[in-house]
Amino acid sequence: EAQVTQNPRYLITVTGKKLTVTCSQNMNHEYMSWYRQDPGLGLRQIYYSMNVEVTDKGDVPEGYKVSRKEKRNFPLILESPSPNQTSLYFCASSLRYGQGAFREQFFGPGTRLTVL
Amino acid sequence: SQKIEQNSEALNIQEGKTATLTCNYTNYSPAYLQWYRQDPGRGPVFLLLIRENEKEKRKERLKVTFDTTLKQSLFHITASQPADSATYLCALEKDGNKLVFGAGTILRVKS
Repeated sequence: EAQVTQNPRYLITVTGKKLTVTCSQNMNHEYMSWYRQDPGLGLRQIYYSMNVEVTDKGDVPEGYKVSRKEKRNFPLILESPSPNQTSLYFCASSLRYGQGAFREQFFGPGTRLTVL
Repeated sequence: SQKIEQNSEALNIQEGKTATLTCNYTNYSPAYLQWYRQDPGRGPVFLLLIRENEKEKRKERLKVTFDTTLKQSLFHITASQPADSATYLCALEKDGNKLVFGAGTILRVKS
């Protein structure tokens, strides 16, 4: 089954304790992305990756890191989490066709993170 | 500044009627626009994509229009059903490499 998986689905942690949220897709997609979703603000892009070893900042990258060592995996790293990073996080992937045009994005089930 | 605006108030309609959701944007020039459906506690699911040179796109009971002069997209669900109740998100292409999402509109279809 074609899918994007994220782990963990729920996480409660404390300020300053490093954590990683994993994301994996089995559709051979070039493009992967991380979003956070907060009430009233919608989905905001944190980082994206056009392909292996190619990553770039989205609109809200502060406090986050990513890496893309393999095509299927795109982990999100919070080196020193703070309470304002409490949010619902989604990983997504898509094919691209040509320059600048996406096919639809496939989203993972989400990770609900609480930072105390 | 750049903005994407969707109705912040929920849209309540009767089963069988047509639901119309609006997406307005400011200071963007998207090459295309997408609509997604999101159910509570789940990731968004893609519905339709419309390009800037297309006025209208249809898929079953769904129809999307895209007016680049008005900077607006309308999303219609005809013959709506309670199962259509969800949050609907519009998303614009930005800078060729990003998708920017609106905050979404909640649709409630009552039987």
